[in-house]
Amino acid sequence: GENVEQHPSTLSVQEGDSAVIKCTYSDSASNYFPWYKQELGKRPQLIIDIRSNVGEKKDQRIAVTLNKTAKHFSLHITETQPEDSAVYFCAASPLGGSQGNLIFGKGTKLSVKP
Amino acid sequence: DARVTQTPRHKVTEMGQEVTMRCQPILGHNTVFWYRQTMMQGLELLAYFRNRAPLDDSGMPKDRFSAEMPDATLATLKIQPSEPRDSAVYFCASGRNVGGTSNSGNTIYFGEGSWLTVV
Repeated sequence: GENVEQHPSTLSVQEGDSAVIKCTYSDSASNYFPWYKQELGKRPQLIIDIRSNVGEKKDQRIAVTLNKTAKHFSLHITETQPEDSAVYFCAASPLGGSQGNLIFGKGTKLSVKP
Repeated sequence: DARVTQTPRHKVTEMGQEVTMRCQPILGHNTVFWYRQTMMQGLELLAYFRNRAPLDDSGMPKDRFSAEMPDATLATLKIQPSEPRDSAVYFCASGRNVGGTSNSGNTIYFGEGSWLTVV
């Protein structure tokens, strides 16, 4: 089955700096990679996703890159703000086939200091 | 704004008691997931269903946990008997054709979670 590793587990940056979170996956059949943001006491919410036919996707201050050959993908947040402080989870899922589940990394706690 | 609805939101129970958590997926979503979240293990997949059929429950302790979908609008997760180590947040999530042959997308949406404490 799929296994997703996420690094770092904690990340502290100064407001305005960039933050990068990296994930690796094991199943070459995985081709959908979402990122979720979870604020304290709340549910995970999708912030951006990427499919394997795309190498990079951007949405305002957040971007995700995917390297299928190396089986890793990253989340980039630019111009960080205090409200970006949360736990971020990456996930991987195969599209099609019997294994349609979504496997999550263990999360990265991002702290943005004003 | 369609949402996944979970009940109860909070539950404190004594060890040995039965706990049932319920989930109403977003209308039209045919894939339903149960995840357990703890500080140590993060988001663990317990079980998931597509079109009400269980596809994978390998992450679920079979001796005490059971998951069902009596109909398309209700998924249940039951723990019997409950133990203190079951204390966690249990999330239900739903999506449309997640992992199916359709290319309509794998996005899943989480409910607010059921916060379980077993004492």
